[in-house]
Amino acid sequence: NAGVTQTPKFQVLKTGQSMTLQCAQDMNHNSMYWYRQDPGMGLRLIYYSASEGTTDKGEVPNGYNVSRLNKREFSLRLESAAPSQTSVYFCASSPGESGELFFGEGSRLTVL
Amino acid sequence: SQKIEQNSEALNIQEGKTATLTCNYTNYSPAYLQWYRQDPGRGPVFLLLIRENEKEKRKERLKVTFDTTLKQSLFHITASQPADSATYLCALVNYKLSFGAGTTVTVRA
Repeated sequence: NAGVTQTPKFQVLKTGQSMTLQCAQDMNHNSMYWYRQDPGMGLRLIYYSASEGTTDKGEVPNGYNVSRLNKREFSLRLESAAPSQTSVYFCASSPGESGELFFGEGSRLTVL
Repeated sequence: SQKIEQNSEALNIQEGKTATLTCNYTNYSPAYLQWYRQDPGRGPVFLLLIRENEKEKRKERLKVTFDTTLKQSLFHITASQPADSATYLCALVNYKLSFGAGTTVTVRA
């Protein structure tokens, strides 16, 4: 019963490097989301995908790109990492656009 | 601007007492509100959903109220246990989910 799986769990990057965070869900959910969580600021939405083939910007999209590869997978790419992108990233999925979210365990990214 | 505010301070309570958490919001007209629990190093887990036309919702020892006039939700944990220690997040659904920063609850045995 995997639910939402994120990889990698930990990553350290140097400023300017690129990387992709992977997310997959096995619940046949339509909607998928990427959030970042910083101390004292709560979860902030980066991008979301209401259904396969669509993506939309959230609250803090700058410096990120996403791909909804298929219904199961939603990846987040940092093209040129900056120290301000040091954070914990959570992927989530939902059966509908406004329903209960199911979260992954998080990916902890440090940019030096 | 839109804002969601939860208790800014951590909550420390004695086992068996009731913990009451507050979620206030401004410039939102949410269709409904959700509460999540988050343990250290883990992703949030859904607890309860309450709709705008519902005043109160219960699930086991948890109770949520939703007052759209006051723009406030209260989250109660009754007969609290050390296992209830966690951070609790409220989230509002407008056209997508927006989260508060969370309140950390510690229950002392």
